[in-house]
Order: sequence, then C-alpha cells, then structure tokens
Amino acid sequence: GENVEQHPSTLSVQEGDSAVIKCTYSDSASNYFPWYKQELGKRPQLIIDIRSNVGEKKDQRIAVTLNKTAKHFSLHITETQPEDSAVYFCAASKGYSTLTFGKGTMLLVSP
Amino acid sequence: EPEVTQTPSHQVTQMGQEVILRCVPISNHLYFYWYRQILGQKVEFLVSFYNNEISEKSEIFDDQFSVERPDGSNFTLKIRSTKLEDSAMYFCASSEGQLHTQYFGPGTRLTVL
Repeated sequence: GENVEQHPSTLSVQEGDSAVIKCTYSDSASNYFPWYKQELGKRPQLIIDIRSNVGEKKDQRIAVTLNKTAKHFSLHITETQPEDSAVYFCAASKGYSTLTFGKGTMLLVSP
Repeated sequence: EPEVTQTPSHQVTQMGQEVILRCVPISNHLYFYWYRQILGQKVEFLVSFYNNEISEKSEIFDDQFSVERPDGSNFTLKIRSTKLEDSAMYFCASSEGQLHTQYFGPGTRLTVL
C-alpha cells in the first residue's frame, strides 16, 4: 500500500521567515495530495491541495509543489505568523479516495 | 458554511463494552470516512463508505468494527468490544465525491479504561 514520509517532524522559525515541509510517497498511482493543518485538540483542516496534473499551486502565503518523477511534494509557507503554529499533515490518495497521511510536522513560529 | 458534526465529543468506556460513535456528514456529500488518531501520532484511515456499503477498509478495521448509515443523515462507527488500544480520537469525514476535499468533523475522543 501507499507509504507517505514527512520531514521534518518539528520546525521552528522566526516570525516572517519561510517554512518548508517535505513529503514523499511510494505509489506512483497516487494523484491527489492535500495538506491539512491541525491545531491542538481540533480537527484537521484542509489548507491546500494539488492534483497530479499540476506542478504547483499557490494560495496567498501558502504554496504546494509536486514532482511526480521524484514522487515528492512540498508545502511552502512564506511570511510566517504565530497563528501558523500547528501540526501540518501531508496526505496522498489514488482515486478511490483513501487518504494516507504522513506523520506530521509541528511548526512553531516564534514572534 | 456546513460542517461535519460528531457526537459525543468525549466517550469514556470500560474495556469490553460496545460504543457507538455518531457523525452527521455534510448534507450533499456522498462519501463518508472514519479515521482515528492515537495521541501524538498520525491520522490513520479506518474505512470509507459509499452508496450504503463499505468501499474500502484498512487492516485496523477488523471484525470488532462496523459502520452504518441508519437514516438519511447519520453515519455511525460501532466498536463491539473495546480494547485499551482503541483509545484514540476518532474523526469522521465526508466528501462530495472521489478526489474531492474531505472535510473532517471535530472528533470524538474515546477513552477505554
């Protein structure tokens, strides 16, 4: 089955810096890659997603890139703010909609 | 904006007891899912449900687990005989279709004593 690896497990940045979280997947048939943000004790919330027919997608301060050949995708957050502090999960899916999640990255943005 | 809702928010039970976790998916969604998250770990897929039947299930979803859509709005997860290791946060999710965004509920924290 699909295996998703996520790095780093923790990431500390200063407010205003950029943050990058990377994921790799094993199944070349995967074609949908969402990113979820989970604040402490709350539900995972989708922040951005990308499909395999697109190499990059941007939404304000958040961008995701996908390299299908290398089977990796990354989340980029620019101009980080303290409210960006949370656990971020990447996931992969191949059409019948089961999401396989990475282990998560705890992002801490210090003011 | 419509949201997935779940009840109860916290369930405490004794080992061996049956529990039913309830979810109300977003009304026009057709695909329903259960995931679980053991404290401090990643979210793990349990089961997906479409057209009144299970479409996929993971190795975690053994004979102790079952799902049901008893009416037009509720989607339930039943654990027949709970074990200590079933203690986790259980998330329900729903989506309009395959390759559509999955929206998660707030979760039910299950504690098995």
